[in-house]
Amino acid sequence: DQQVKQNSPSLSVQEGRISILNCDYTNSMFDYFLWYKKYPAEGPTFLISISSIKDKNEDGRFTVFLNKSAKHLSLHIVPSQPGDSAVYFCAALQGGSEKLVFGKGTKLTVNP
Amino acid sequence: KAGVTQTPRYLIKTRGQQVTLSCSPISGHRSVSWYQQTPGQGLQFLFEYFSETQRNKGNFPGRFSGRQFSNSRSEMNVSTLELGDSALYLCASSLGVLNEQFFGPGTRLTVL
Repeated sequence: DQQVKQNSPSLSVQEGRISILNCDYTNSMFDYFLWYKKYPAEGPTFLISISSIKDKNEDGRFTVFLNKSAKHLSLHIVPSQPGDSAVYFCAALQGGSEKLVFGKGTKLTVNP
Repeated sequence: KAGVTQTPRYLIKTRGQQVTLSCSPISGHRSVSWYQQTPGQGLQFLFEYFSETQRNKGNFPGRFSGRQFSNSRSEMNVSTLELGDSALYLCASSLGVLNEQFFGPGTRLTVL
């Protein structure tokens, strides 16, 4: 049972445009959400996170939005750059649990 | 500060064999988590160790085991290897809070 779902396995956008990566979750006990970026042959690197008490967190070109009622979060990258091409994983953490639950990832390709 | 290191980077085994993977966390980090990444399932949590104690375990069979040493280095063992165990095994370390994990590059295991 996939508790964190990234329904789009891939996404392709033009350089300079907005990239929107989506993530849905089913466990209402999740209270912290993270996005990781992964390049081939490297481990995932932390990108941005959001606590369930917020609905938006921004860091430079990256913004994460959380809609708790819809159990949905999204990562916006503006403007997208070719170096952003990677696999993006959404992950969720339940307070008191020491276990991160990851989605299957979305491969983002930013075309020059 | 050196990052998380994993050895070996690549490994080829045959069915029925056993394998041990090693992870050296970032200096000062006491928590080590292990994940399995496969194309079909994404990143799946295996287990997490903190100060030599397993704090949490994912939904993997008993063939998957781990341990952590007093210097926080961790090993993961898989016995009686199956073809489906072919995957990238990632290790991540943190001071103890899972929302601040740093990943290693992974060990690519191929079971023939």
